[in-house]
Amino acid sequence: DTAVSQTPKYLVTQMGNDKSIKCEQNLGHDTMYWYKQDSKKFLKIMFSYNNKELIINETVPNRFSPKSPDKAHLNLHINSLELGDSAVYFCASSHKSVWILHFGPGTRLTVT
Amino acid sequence: KNEVEQSPQNLTAQEGEFITINCSYSVGISALHWLQQHPGGGIVSLFMLSSGKKKHGRLIATINIQEKHSSLHITASHPRDSAVYICAVLRLGGGSQGNLIFGKGTKLSVKP
Repeated sequence: DTAVSQTPKYLVTQMGNDKSIKCEQNLGHDTMYWYKQDSKKFLKIMFSYNNKELIINETVPNRFSPKSPDKAHLNLHINSLELGDSAVYFCASSHKSVWILHFGPGTRLTVT
Repeated sequence: KNEVEQSPQNLTAQEGEFITINCSYSVGISALHWLQQHPGGGIVSLFMLSSGKKKHGRLIATINIQEKHSSLHITASHPRDSAVYICAVLRLGGGSQGNLIFGKGTKLSVKP
């Protein structure tokens, strides 16, 4: 009964490939997020999304796109992967009236 | 210079010691989060503060909005407290509640 789950946990792929990371939350939250943690362990917001609004961090390349089939899922699609995309990607969720974030376990992406 | 600065970057303590981790920020905020990242990589939200002080078990978080400063205290520290502690702020007018600006984290190691 994991609250926020991500798959896969590890992803190794070659430059130029297209890949997806899935995220699901069973908390009934209305907003979901993607964060990137780089090799220096520094976290940055990539996207936040509820069923009304997608907010994109302007520093995120347009090769990255979130896709939400329903309120419980926010998947991250990455096209034409580059070496610099190697990082740990965290999904999180929250409810609009409670600002506590619930994080997924992270997906370690390695681009070779 | 990062908008959110934490000190110290690294902290080693003996079991039982009182620990303080500091966070200073340079922007107007509507809320501040303290997060804990375990050695395995998982991230847990500890506190969300907009004023005053909060306590949960052996953890205490305080914030001084005028001085743009927050502290996280751990009383009677234990080796299981060893983790990276991350301060994150929600900028005023920053849109989505997950649009946080993160500090670089404080790595705490508590020795038995």
